[in-house]
Amino acid sequence: DTEVTQTPKHLVMGMTNKKSLKCEQHMGHRAMYWYKQKAKKPPELMFVYSYEKLSINESVPSRFSPECPNSSLLNLHLHALQPEDSALYLCASSQDPRYIYEQYFGPGTRLTVT
Amino acid sequence: LAKTTQPISMDSYEGQEVNITCSHNNIATNDYITWYQQFPSQGPRFIIQGYKTKVTNEVASLFIPADRKSSTLSLPRVSLSDTAVYYCLVGEADTGFQKLVFGTGTRLLVSP
Repeated sequence: DTEVTQTPKHLVMGMTNKKSLKCEQHMGHRAMYWYKQKAKKPPELMFVYSYEKLSINESVPSRFSPECPNSSLLNLHLHALQPEDSALYLCASSQDPRYIYEQYFGPGTRLTVT
Repeated sequence: LAKTTQPISMDSYEGQEVNITCSHNNIATNDYITWYQQFPSQGPRFIIQGYKTKVTNEVASLFIPADRKSSTLSLPRVSLSDTAVYYCLVGEADTGFQKLVFGTGTRLLVSP
């Protein structure tokens, strides 16, 4: 199984809502990543989990809160988002942090903030 | 931080060989060169990675000259399904994720 799955595929939320994005992999990978991608722009790295430990990207607003319940699951909790946060949110994994450049990506969640 | 420069877009026809060049003048000694492919509304897909000379797999070839200041991704006999954005990344894991930066990418359009 070389697949990274993400749910939901699409999400529409208001600025006062709380929602969560989910990511799962069963490849035994020990590093997982969250990216944000705006239309016609490259993916931007948001967070990295290495052996379930978070490496925080300090430029990411606190309205984005990652969680890694176990080595196979990664969540991104969303609260009080702004319309400019509308984007494709991608999850990825790699065998471990040494293989940071060889990542497997999920299909993404298309988020619209109204 | 090894900044990369790629052409914004390229056009080709089915059956042709496509070469996409990435410039990375300040590449560090321990940096590797990695290429990803991304279709619309999908996550990027790892294509190939190399350090020097030539690397080939079932999808593409990667040519890296001796000075390593550039690299060329070669796609043999492209088809319509190769229409995608191709990203070149340069870095090495030991410097941490801060160097993991996707450049602007090259939009390849393959026509019949």
